Amino acid sequence: GQNIDQPTEMTATEGAIVQINCTYQTSGFNGLFWYQQHAGEAPTFLSYNVLDGLEEKGRFSSFLSRSKGYSYLLLKELQMKDSASYLCAVRADSNYQLIWGAGTKLIIKP
Amino acid sequence: DTGVSQDPRHKITKRGQNVTFRCDPISEHNRLYWYRQTLGQGPEFLTYFQNEAQLEKSRLLSDRFSAERPKGSFSTLEIQRTEQGDSAMYLCASSHDSNEQYFGPGTRLTVT
Repeated sequence: GQNIDQPTEMTATEGAIVQINCTYQTSGFNGLFWYQQHAGEAPTFLSYNVLDGLEEKGRFSSFLSRSKGYSYLLLKELQMKDSASYLCAVRADSNYQLIWGAGTKLIIKP
Repeated sequence: DTGVSQDPRHKITKRGQNVTFRCDPISEHNRLYWYRQTLGQGPEFLTYFQNEAQLEKSRLLSDRFSAERPKGSFSTLEIQRTEQGDSAMYLCASSHDSNEQYFGPGTRLTVT
């Protein structure tokens, strides 16, 4: 079966750093994506990892370990606008279909 | 191009009625996807087009659901004989030979 796990909810403080973990068990692997989704809005792309290691993009970084079936999204210098759900998605094969986790709701407190 | 657009943004219908949603992808994108999302869950894959060809359809999709992309540009998703369990946000996304899928604002369906 295909399964993606991520925490349901996390709380962090403005200005701090937070790490959102994602583990996956899929029939194959052809890339992992992180998307941000504000309440009532569509998901927006944050990052893509297909090889092991860290990808950095401004305040956001994403890490992948294929052997462990594990990824994390690291958010630095948190701002109130970062309050949103963060969705982990895996492309299990080459047909571009994504398998999605349920998302992690991140709450930022002043 | 301003991105992926969807119409309508909201639809309220009575159980048993048919509904049709439209998606206009980014113009140069050849791939188009339909997803369904309920509160607190990630998007659930429904179907996928490459140009006008429907290449994959979720096994979870009943025969009441049908999608078309007749000219390889816009797409429609029709739900026949709607049920209360069909109430959800219906998301369309597009991509072009790239990894990133761009999402539209979604159509929120409420079946009463």
